[in-house]
Amino acid sequence: QVQLVESGGGVVQPGRSLRLSCAASGFTFSSYGMHWVRQAPGKGLEWVAGILYDGSIKYYADSVQGRFTISRDNSKNTLYLQMNSLRAEDTAVYYCAKGEGATCYSTMDVWGQGTTVTVSS
Amino acid sequence: QSVLTQSPSASGTPGQRVTISCSGSSSNIGNNYVYWYQQLPGTAPKLLIYRNNQRPSGVPDRFSGSKSGTSASLAISGLRSEDEAEYYCAAWDDSLSVWVFGGGTKLTVL
Repeated sequence: QVQLVESGGGVVQPGRSLRLSCAASGFTFSSYGMHWVRQAPGKGLEWVAGILYDGSIKYYADSVQGRFTISRDNSKNTLYLQMNSLRAEDTAVYYCAKGEGATCYSTMDVWGQGTTVTVSS
Repeated sequence: QSVLTQSPSASGTPGQRVTISCSGSSSNIGNNYVYWYQQLPGTAPKLLIYRNNQRPSGVPDRFSGSKSGTSASLAISGLRSEDEAEYYCAAWDDSLSVWVFGGGTKLTVL
């Protein structure tokens, strides 16, 4: 069945960088758009970024634009989120999610279990 | 402040029918599909309703969705204790070119 496993979370100081990975299995990864969604402690869901099935188009939330980069390696069935210039407000559980279709306009239909990022000095 | 507006809480007794609403604008709900997610405590969100009123396989028909203009609703009939969770609506926003979520509605089964 479809499985998404995030990794790479941890504790990092403000201003530093972190790269999250999401290993996908159980579906044809290269045919689907993918997303990152985060949830700050005790807060709601916030969409972070989305990427087209072939990586050619990417969208970002204003809150991370210019600091975060979403990418994918279809040969490795892996989604990435490079997070630079991290801030305390980036502290959250980060979920990887499969798109319902090939585009970034297709919603998130299967979610991973999440990886926790804590930005603190 | 979320782009989509949901009431923070809702409640009902077992067997009752409850409705959770989601309000947006012409750039999101008004022009695109609405999706609903259920997040049980301590778990990842799960897609509950897609394309306004469609249920993924495995989702009980007690759950139903509807949309009218720039608002949408999730109805849960025959309420059960295991329905106690946070519920989120979501839609693509054409103006912002982002996915937007409601702030979430915490459903309590009394």
